[in-house]
Amino acid sequence: GAVVSQHPSWVICKSGTSVKIECRSLDFQATTMFWYRQFPKQSLMLMATSNEGSKATYEQGVEKDKFLINHASLTLSTLTVTSAHPEDSSFYICSARRFRDRDEKLFFGSGTQLSVL
Amino acid sequence: GESVGLHLPTLSVQEGDNSIINCAYSNSASDYFIWYKQESGKGPQFIIDIRSNMDKRQGQRVTVLLNKTVKHLSLQIAATQPGDSAVYFCAENIRETSGSRLTFGEGTQLTVNP
Repeated sequence: GAVVSQHPSWVICKSGTSVKIECRSLDFQATTMFWYRQFPKQSLMLMATSNEGSKATYEQGVEKDKFLINHASLTLSTLTVTSAHPEDSSFYICSARRFRDRDEKLFFGSGTQLSVL
Repeated sequence: GESVGLHLPTLSVQEGDNSIINCAYSNSASDYFIWYKQESGKGPQFIIDIRSNMDKRQGQRVTVLLNKTVKHLSLQIAATQPGDSAVYFCAENIRETSGSRLTFGEGTQLTVNP
């Protein structure tokens, strides 16, 4: 199956610093990628849709200036958590959409556990 | 909007039994549904999907049933094994003019007892 690589798998940072998470589609091109956040014992919440070559679309309640998304190529989207605070500690997951044979599927990365001290 | 729960619904079964996990979805415009399995600390893993023009689809040991009348989706796992223990999420794909979006249900924690 298709592979989506997410890096890093975990990160610990101090409050006030910025953290960048990368999401790469390794064997297909993805014009659209998605970023989710998941708190313990809860479901995945869609944060934003990342579109290659254009601005990301953010879900209601998600601060676009805090969660910067860049999708500069067809295989890479990045999420930067700026001025991170302890309440930003969460599991962040990306997914990439693949179109093939008039069918579309989503493939997920393995997630990034962010802990802000 | 999203519902935020403090804990996941749980289902506990004996090894070898069949499991049924249920999900209610909200949007009648959803055209595609997927079941995912998520193990602790990992991303979701695709299990099976179904389009809105179908009411049943079978895979290896898994069956998905779709009832559009009551907006209900179920996942049946035959001969459940300890390796099936995980959290299971249903997801619905909603097509909008700006593109399609996948939103997840609350999830169910499946525990398989040996």
